[in-house]
Amino acid sequence: AQSVTQLGSHVSVSEGALVLLRCNYSSSVPPYLFWYVQYPNQGLQLLLKYTSAATLVKGINGFEAEFKKSETSFHLTKPSAHMSDAAEYFCAVSEGSSNTGKLIFGQGTTLQVKP
Amino acid sequence: NAGVTQTPKFQVLKTGQSMTLQCAQDMNHNSMYWYRQDPGMGLRLIYYSASEGTTDKGEVPNGYNVSRLNKREFSLRLESAAPSQTSVYFCASRLPGQGVYGYTFGSGTRLTVV
Repeated sequence: AQSVTQLGSHVSVSEGALVLLRCNYSSSVPPYLFWYVQYPNQGLQLLLKYTSAATLVKGINGFEAEFKKSETSFHLTKPSAHMSDAAEYFCAVSEGSSNTGKLIFGQGTTLQVKP
Repeated sequence: NAGVTQTPKFQVLKTGQSMTLQCAQDMNHNSMYWYRQDPGMGLRLIYYSASEGTTDKGEVPNGYNVSRLNKREFSLRLESAAPSQTSVYFCASRLPGQGVYGYTFGSGTRLTVV
């Protein structure tokens, strides 16, 4: 069965500092991997996705993530945090070849950005 | 604007009451999903409909029923609400084979059961 683990339910960084949000997955088939962001009282917005092409994926708002098969990881990074990045972030995995398209989500990581 | 529309946005129920959460999409997507979001647990799949006329259980289906009314609409029903069903509910949709593109989510329904 597929699963996703996000290390750290809360991450706090200073404005301008590196953002690193960790995600590890397990999957018996080649996975598709996603990062979503949720701002307060809003729905989920797709940040970026990995679909078996380039292992380094660039997304919106300056975020990127690297797929590392040997480490079963898909960590999200941003070189310089901005106050507007404060939100909850979810990593998710999908069986890429599955017709059901079910997404399995991690527990979420709340990012706090301090001035 | 095209997307996924959920109604209502907020709801307070008493224990034992019933209600239906509505979801509609206008993107001609085949597959639709209902998730619940609880603090520290991420989003968990309740039910999904891979295509019109089919529905299947997800991870946490107990206490819920669904209806895929047509291609556009996928409703979630709580027959006898319990406090444990206090949550934020999200509906999502996608095209078949759109695993590469992820989902389109609605803005959520915040449900409180007292």
